[in-house]
Amino acid sequence: DAGVIQSPRHEVTEMGQEVTLRCKPISGHDYLFWYRQTMMRGLELLIYFNNNVPIDDSGMPEDRFSAKMPNASFSTLKIQPSEPRDSAVYFCASSGQGTNTEAFFGQGTRLTVV
Amino acid sequence: QKEVEQNSGPLSVPEGAIASLNCTYSDRGSQSFFWYRQYSGKSPELIMSIYSNGDKEDGRFTAQLNKASQYVSLLIRDSQPSDSATYLCAVNRRSSTLGRLYFGRGTQLTVWP
Repeated sequence: DAGVIQSPRHEVTEMGQEVTLRCKPISGHDYLFWYRQTMMRGLELLIYFNNNVPIDDSGMPEDRFSAKMPNASFSTLKIQPSEPRDSAVYFCASSGQGTNTEAFFGQGTRLTVV
Repeated sequence: QKEVEQNSGPLSVPEGAIASLNCTYSDRGSQSFFWYRQYSGKSPELIMSIYSNGDKEDGRFTAQLNKASQYVSLLIRDSQPSDSATYLCAVNRRSSTLGRLYFGRGTQLTVWP
């Protein structure tokens, strides 16, 4: 299995631009998580999905952030408009049902907003 | 009170020593417990999972769970410089929040030769 795949690995954009991060979870996993990691705040859960349905988006910082999961193999996290304080590493992770609750992370997208 | 708390560290041990990492959690309904290792600039990597009270050993790693005390630990025996990383404790409250993982802030471990 290729694991969780994220793209792009690095993104540099100007303030005010739209940014779209992409994630392909591990095949067969029912849960998908979007996290943001910064030195100041550590690893923060932004939103997670179960069977493509958003379960908890209370971690999404503002209306500028939105996430979708149109099917079981693809999710996007969009920031519009982007701001310098959005600079962070964004991770996507997926996990399965039942006893297979371990979450596996993608390589992350390092976002820099200038 | 935070959901998951870890000893903040940083923790520094000599090569060959035992490194002990600790974690407490607030919800007694928690069911699954995990340790992740994160090297600088890399993504968190799952290294141990534990679901029932007691010890679970995997090579040089031992996870310990005490649900009554709401305490999880990770012991690394014969520590190596390659173990130098940040270790994240994660807890799953599947019964109430459908699979969400709560992470601690992590403990930075340095193993010096």
